[in-house]
Amino acid sequence: DQQVKQNSPSLSVQEGRISILNCDYTNSMFDYFLWYKKYPAEGPTFLISISSIKDKNEDGRFTVFLNKSAKHLSLHIVPSQPGDSAVYFCAASRYNQGGKLIFGQGTELSVKP
Amino acid sequence: SAVISQKPSRDICQRGTSLTIQCQVDSQVTMMFWYRQQPGQSLTLIATANQGSEATYESGFVIDKFPISRPNLTFSTLTVSNMSPEDSSIYLCSAERAGGPSTGELFFGEGSRLTVL
Repeated sequence: DQQVKQNSPSLSVQEGRISILNCDYTNSMFDYFLWYKKYPAEGPTFLISISSIKDKNEDGRFTVFLNKSAKHLSLHIVPSQPGDSAVYFCAASRYNQGGKLIFGQGTELSVKP
Repeated sequence: SAVISQKPSRDICQRGTSLTIQCQVDSQVTMMFWYRQQPGQSLTLIATANQGSEATYESGFVIDKFPISRPNLTFSTLTVSNMSPEDSSIYLCSAERAGGPSTGELFFGEGSRLTVL
């Protein structure tokens, strides 16, 4: 049972344009949603998160939107830069069980100059 | 932030052997976790490494196959026992920052890529 799904395995975007990465989940008990970024041969690094009581969280070029009714979240990167090229994982957790993350399959973003 | 070092970074192992992966954190952390990423798959939590007590395993993972130690607040090991080709994966150590509610903001090591022949 895949509780967190990223249906797009890859995404290609032109530098300077917006990148939109999508994620769907099935468990309405999740309290936090997170995005991690992973470069080859490195471990994932935390990028941005959102609590289930919010619908938007912004940090510089990165914004995460949460639509609880649709059980859907998205990560917007504006403007996209070549250094953003990486695999992006969506993850979810329940309150005070933060280490027990449920990850999506990942979306590989390629930002072309 | 915390820096997590894992070793080995990669290894090629023979079927039936066991390998221990070490994880060192540069600061004291409350929670440490071991994840696995099988080829083409997402990350899956194996277990929570508890300091001074037995690890807490997720469904589908057992202590006999993946014994874990955590002798102190900065170090943990994961052993992959009696390996088969299906154990070929990247094994990742992670830790949560100390203090505050547990929200999922984890630090990860670079991973240990095991290939079992």
